[in-house]
Amino acid sequence: KAGVTQTPRYLIKTRGQQVTLSCSPISGHRSVSWYQQTPGQGLQFLFEYFSETQRNKGNFPGRFSGRQFSNSRSEMNVSTLELGDSALYLCASSLAVSAPPYEQYFGPGTRLTVT
Amino acid sequence: DAKTTQPPSMDCAEGRAANLPCNHSTISGNEYVYWYRQIHSQGPQYIIHGLKNNETNEMASLIITEDRKSSTLILPHATLRDTAVYYCIVRENRGSTLGRLYFGRGTQLTVWP
Repeated sequence: KAGVTQTPRYLIKTRGQQVTLSCSPISGHRSVSWYQQTPGQGLQFLFEYFSETQRNKGNFPGRFSGRQFSNSRSEMNVSTLELGDSALYLCASSLAVSAPPYEQYFGPGTRLTVT
Repeated sequence: DAKTTQPPSMDCAEGRAANLPCNHSTISGNEYVYWYRQIHSQGPQYIIHGLKNNETNEMASLIITEDRKSSTLILPHATLRDTAVYYCIVRENRGSTLGRLYFGRGTQLTVWP
């Protein structure tokens, strides 16, 4: 079974631009979560989607947004990029059943560099 | 905020068992303990999880104390490829929603030849 895939793997953008990252979950997985990883802050939760609805949101500004499609694929968008948005963006998928445990399986990440 | 405490780093000789401790003194009765690891610049990899009983899979063993306030991840025969940051996570319980994972800083395990 194929794992979580993320595209693109690497991206260089300029301050003020916007960016869209894509995540395809493991087949059959209905939940997708996004995390940001930086050396200073570590791994931080961005948001979680299930059935095309945002279920949870972390403490990030409104410039960070996401969506999920009917096939469970998800995208996240960052508008008006800042230098501090440079990070590894990780997507994780899980089966999303109604009872624990809820193992999440991560993709390889998208390395975003803002210059 | 992470609800776990882990040592920042540990070393282990190749072929020996690596025992990684984790304190989670505020864990609730229905919260699971999860372990993930992250090899440099890759996505975190799920290792194992447990609730009350000790667990074992092909990758590792998880020992949870009777009071559930701490746990130990055991890699029985560490190899150089086990060098990674290991995260102990107590999963937020939000009923039917999935919640989030609080990763903390983890333990950098270095396996040396």
